[in-house]
Amino acid sequence: ETGVTQSPTHLIKTRGQQVTLRCSSQSGHNTVSWYQQALGQGPQFIFQYYREEENGRGNFPPRFSGLQFPNYSSELNVNALELDDSALYLCASTIEGVWETQYFGPGTRLLVL
Amino acid sequence: AQSVAQPEDQVNVAEGNPLTVKCTYSVSGNPYLFWYVQYPNRGLQFLLKYITGDNLVKGSYGFEAEFNKSQTSFHLKKPSALVSDSALYFCAASTSSYTSGTYKYIFGTGTRLKVLA
Repeated sequence: ETGVTQSPTHLIKTRGQQVTLRCSSQSGHNTVSWYQQALGQGPQFIFQYYREEENGRGNFPPRFSGLQFPNYSSELNVNALELDDSALYLCASTIEGVWETQYFGPGTRLLVL
Repeated sequence: AQSVAQPEDQVNVAEGNPLTVKCTYSVSGNPYLFWYVQYPNRGLQFLLKYITGDNLVKGSYGFEAEFNKSQTSFHLKKPSALVSDSALYFCAASTSSYTSGTYKYIFGTGTRLKVLA
């Protein structure tokens, strides 16, 4: 077990709606990253948070936003959902001092209709 | 653009035979390299990583990987495959920004390994 949990496991939304996905990691996991994995593809980097501030972002529009909280939990928010947002969303955290290795949660599968 | 390639969508191997899953990368500098495995309806599970040093890296469940800088490759290997090794395998390269401290993974598209009994 990685100690990283995500909720919900599955979610169905309609186009134009907003969604919040949640991730929780253990004490000492100071960095959290979010990835989008479309069907048949490898995960794509969305952004990373460290000490509650975004410190890196991939090629995703501003309607993808996030938060990191002091209790080692984080959120991914997506506004104005589009059909192409349907994917598995993974969060990953790193342990303080071992920055290069990311430990992934089980993911949230989002379906946009 | 920086990228990681996994040229085989699927690899089939008989149980007990050695297996190889290929990965090549096109990333500037000296990236860290990783292999992850994904089982159905599960997240990515870390197998092994290369940072520096010995070109042969040993990881979990008997897997190992060989780094080749001149060929920019990082192939995953196992001497004797098990049916339970059947899963989706991802190679990733990590790029880092020392100014921002961001570690971003670039993933390949994945290779489905099927071990036949």
